[in-house]
Amino acid sequence: DGGITQSPKYLFRKEGQNVTLSCEQNLNHDAMYWYRQDPGQGLRLIYYSQIVNDFQKGDIAEGYSVSREKKESFPLTVTSAQKNPTAFYLCASIPSLNTGELFFGEGSRLTVL
Amino acid sequence: KNQVEQSPQSLIILEGKNCTLQCNYTVSPFSNLRWYKQDTGRGPVSLTIMTFSENTKSNGRYTATLDADTKQSSLHITASQLSDSASYICVAGSYIPTFGRGTSLIVHP
Repeated sequence: DGGITQSPKYLFRKEGQNVTLSCEQNLNHDAMYWYRQDPGQGLRLIYYSQIVNDFQKGDIAEGYSVSREKKESFPLTVTSAQKNPTAFYLCASIPSLNTGELFFGEGSRLTVL
Repeated sequence: KNQVEQSPQSLIILEGKNCTLQCNYTVSPFSNLRWYKQDTGRGPVSLTIMTFSENTKSNGRYTATLDADTKQSSLHITASQLSDSASYICVAGSYIPTFGRGTSLIVHP
């Protein structure tokens, strides 16, 4: 079935470590997004990518990095520079910017110990 | 600044009752308005999507309305079920969607 797969579902990290969250889609969508969700807040955009080998910073990009080497994959790295990384991270995709339904993965919960 | 405001923040209703959730948006450019349902610890799932020219869109017991002049949308849930307990998120889209904080709905038996 077509969809977006995020992994891992749960991740624990020690302070000072980088971690990478995986996001893979088989929907043939051009645009992909990474969001962060904290309790009581709306989704906040970290990074987005419209096409392969191109990505743009969102509202809260500091301490995060991404790559888009393949259309299907948009991994997010949470670096040690992110001061408060404990959160629920959501990956999403859309056929192209400004069109169609935004599909979400099941999310990855990162906890910093 | 683009903004999406949702009300109420939380709502508790009895099973079988109807309810309406509100969304006010200030987004430019505006292309569409989406409603999502998010269960705890899961990714949001789309309920409806409307362009600025559409006034209403239904999906089973969920009916969304849109007034592009007043920049308001509502989501009406009919004959609520226990499985409707979730967070409902309003999203006003341009090429970078703006998300509301959601309304937390609890349906009691």
